[in-house]
This record gives sequence, C-alpha cells and structure tokens, in this order.
Amino acid sequence: GEDVEQSLFLSVREGDSSVINCTYTDSSSTYLYWYKQEPGAGLQLLTYIFSNMDMKQDQRLTVLLNKKDKHLSLRIADTQTGDSAIYFCAGGNAGNMLTFGGGTRLMVKP
Amino acid sequence: NAGVTQTPKFQVLKTGQSMTLQCAQDMNHEYMSWYRQDPGMGLRLIHYSVGAGITDQGEVPNGYNVSRSTTEDFPLRLLSAAPSQTSVYFCASSKTEYGYTFGSGTRLTVV
Repeated sequence: GEDVEQSLFLSVREGDSSVINCTYTDSSSTYLYWYKQEPGAGLQLLTYIFSNMDMKQDQRLTVLLNKKDKHLSLRIADTQTGDSAIYFCAGGNAGNMLTFGGGTRLMVKP
Repeated sequence: NAGVTQTPKFQVLKTGQSMTLQCAQDMNHEYMSWYRQDPGMGLRLIHYSVGAGITDQGEVPNGYNVSRSTTEDFPLRLLSAAPSQTSVYFCASSKTEYGYTFGSGTRLTVV
C-alpha cells in the first residue's frame, strides 16, 4: 500500500513563506491532498492536485508535484499566526480511501 | 447544510464495554470512511463504504464493525473496548475528486 512521509515540525516567522514537504511511494494515486488540522478540530481540505499536474496555485497556497521523485510540497506565502496548525498530505484515488502522512506541525512566530 | 456530523464528541468507556460512534452526512456522498488518529501516526483507515449496503476493511479494522444501511449514516461499533482503542475517531465522506469532508471527531478514552 501507499506510504506517505512528512517531516514532523516546521517553525517560521510571521510574513515568511512556509514550505511543507511530503514524499509518497504509490505512483498510482490519482489525487494528492493537503489538509489542515487546528487544535481540537477535524481536518479541513486546503487544496488538492491531480497527479498529471505539476503545480497548482490557490491564493497564498502553491502545491508542487514532482512525480519523478514522488515529492509533494505545499508553500504558504506570507505565513500568518492563524496558519499555525498540523498539515497532512494524503494520497488516493477519486472517491477512494486516503493514505495520510503523519502530519507536519507548523508553528508561526510573531 | 450540516456536512459531516459525529456524535458524541467525547466518550469514556470501561474495558469490555461496547458502544457505537455515530456519523451522518447530508451531502448525498457515496463514499464514507472511519479513521483513527493517534499521536505521531497520522490518520489510519478503519473501515470504509463506497455506497449503501457496501462496506470493507481498512488498515486497522480489528475490534470494530460498521454497517451502511442508508447513504446518510455510517456508524462505527466497538464490540468490546480495549485501552488500545483510546484515540480520536474521524468520520469522513466524499464525492468524486473533491476530497473528503471530515467530521469534528470523537475523542474516546478507554480505561
């Protein structure tokens, strides 16, 4: 099955860009997702990218996909304190089950 | 439009007790699933359903049962609770490629 790995922790200063990285093993995943989890809350879908795309931009969020290296990244521009959360990448097929990474805790310092 | 609703939000069980975690969605999503979240391990799939009357096992199904008698509801049953089932449980539903919508979770403690 799919194995998805993320670094555990990232700390940035407010206003800087954050880059959260993810590697995956299963190249058959049709979609790759980024979710955000704030303390005590469920997971919020931030964005997703189709596996035949290299990049997707959505306001402050940029997703880059390197299929050759099976590497996915999420860049958050102008990071704010409200962006502090745990970020999960996940891979899967449309409507099918997702395999999640262990999550990256983003801490934004004022 | 309530999305995915999970009840209860918190529960404490004694070892050996049984209970049902409820999950309901009002988005007419075909796909529903249950995950558990443990510290440092991300979310792991317990059971899932691709439509009413159809369920299948995920990565960690032991000790849990599910049924899907309607499109809207997907309850998760703990047959005989064990301390290893202490976790946060998330229900999610999906339609096509827009990713899963998650409920707010049920925090379960088994003592």
